[in-house]
Amino acid sequence: NAGVTQTPKFRVLKTGQSMTLLCAQDMNHEYMYWYRQDPGMGLRLIHYSVGEGTTAKGEVPDGYNVSRLKKQNFLLGLESAAPSQTSVYFCASGPLVYEQYFGPGTRLTVT
Amino acid sequence: AQTVTQSQPEMSVQEAETVTLSCTYDTSENNYYLFWYKQPPSRQMILVIRQEAYKQQNATENRFSVNFQKAAKSFSLKISDSQLGDTAMYFCAFAAPSTSGTYKYIFGTGTRLKVLA
Repeated sequence: NAGVTQTPKFRVLKTGQSMTLLCAQDMNHEYMYWYRQDPGMGLRLIHYSVGEGTTAKGEVPDGYNVSRLKKQNFLLGLESAAPSQTSVYFCASGPLVYEQYFGPGTRLTVT
Repeated sequence: AQTVTQSQPEMSVQEAETVTLSCTYDTSENNYYLFWYKQPPSRQMILVIRQEAYKQQNATENRFSVNFQKAAKSFSLKISDSQLGDTAMYFCAFAAPSTSGTYKYIFGTGTRLKVLA
């Protein structure tokens, strides 16, 4: 039981490049979330999913897209990376709306 | 607007002593959940303790306990018998039903706790 895993752990992008972050969970959780964490700030919700095939916008969705084609995976995409998207990205999943388990994070730098 | 405020950016405590981290929040909801998460240098976010707003009894988890004052909208975390492994960033978080049918999570800015040997 690996819990919540995130791929990759680190990535450096140039402005304008695209990439996809993968979040995988093996706990059969319905709910999945993507957050970003910036210095001096708490986590801010980007997008979330309440089940396979569903996605919804969170607090800071602009510049990101998500997909949940399989229940165990939640993908976060950056179509055209910007320096403002330099951050640490956390994925979380949960069996209930008020319960979350976090992945180890992905550190993304956009130059 | 719903907010979570942690007014102590940094704190330190001697090993084996007790420390209390403060958190206040603002909401008009009646049913919600409050959390304390720990983020050690490894960056992994770990749930420390959770409190349901409808429960009057304060939650406890081993050396960790909360003082939940619903009327005052205060949710402090007490760590007893502090250990070096408690050194981490601690985040207070709040979750309440949103109009979309799920819960809206809001995190505070964190308190960096250092346990001194």
